[in-house]
Amino acid sequence: AQTVTQSQPEMSVQEAETVTLSCTYDTSESDYYLFWYKQPPSRQMILVIRQEAYKQQNATENRFSVNFQKAAKSFSLKISDSQLGDAAMYFCALTSNYQLIWGAGTKLIIKP
Amino acid sequence: DADVTQTPRNRITKTGKRIMLECSQTKGHDRMYWYRQDPGLGLRLIYYSFDVKDINKGEISDGYSVSRQAQAKFSLSLESAIPNQTALYFCATSDFGGGVTDTQYFGPGTRLTVL
Repeated sequence: AQTVTQSQPEMSVQEAETVTLSCTYDTSESDYYLFWYKQPPSRQMILVIRQEAYKQQNATENRFSVNFQKAAKSFSLKISDSQLGDAAMYFCALTSNYQLIWGAGTKLIIKP
Repeated sequence: DADVTQTPRNRITKTGKRIMLECSQTKGHDRMYWYRQDPGLGLRLIYYSFDVKDINKGEISDGYSVSRQAQAKFSLSLESAIPNQTALYFCATSDFGGGVTDTQYFGPGTRLTVL
């Protein structure tokens, strides 16, 4: 069975600092995608970044980047220059057989 | 206008009532999904549809049914609502991306409370 684990229920970071959210996964598929979604208090689910498993290069989107370690089945999200608007729940997700498998989420708190 | 819309945004109902949640999209995607989210949990898949004639059960389909009225419309029904169906419900869409699901885009969610 495919699983996604986020071991940090909550993280906090000072505004303008850098924070890393952890995610590990397990899958027997050789071809898959990994995602980070953000859910602010508005509850909208917003795509942050996506990584194709066959690509060795880590994905980046402005202040957001990932550290994808395929052999270790690890997919962490780094947020640089944290802003108050980054405060949200962050979910890691994995595609498997056309379905998204979700982690339980990490609540990110930004301290002004 | 939003690409994926859900109606209603909030709904309070009573046990035993029939409820329909609606989802519409203007992204032109073939694939549509219904998820529920419970506090402290990630999303769980209820049903998914790859086109109008292809509907599949997800992880937690018991107590739910769906209808794909058109490429752009996908409705979720609770035939007889019960309190443990109180949750946040999301509709999502994706385009066909070869052998692996492409990125899913979500509606704003429907907060359903069953008393």
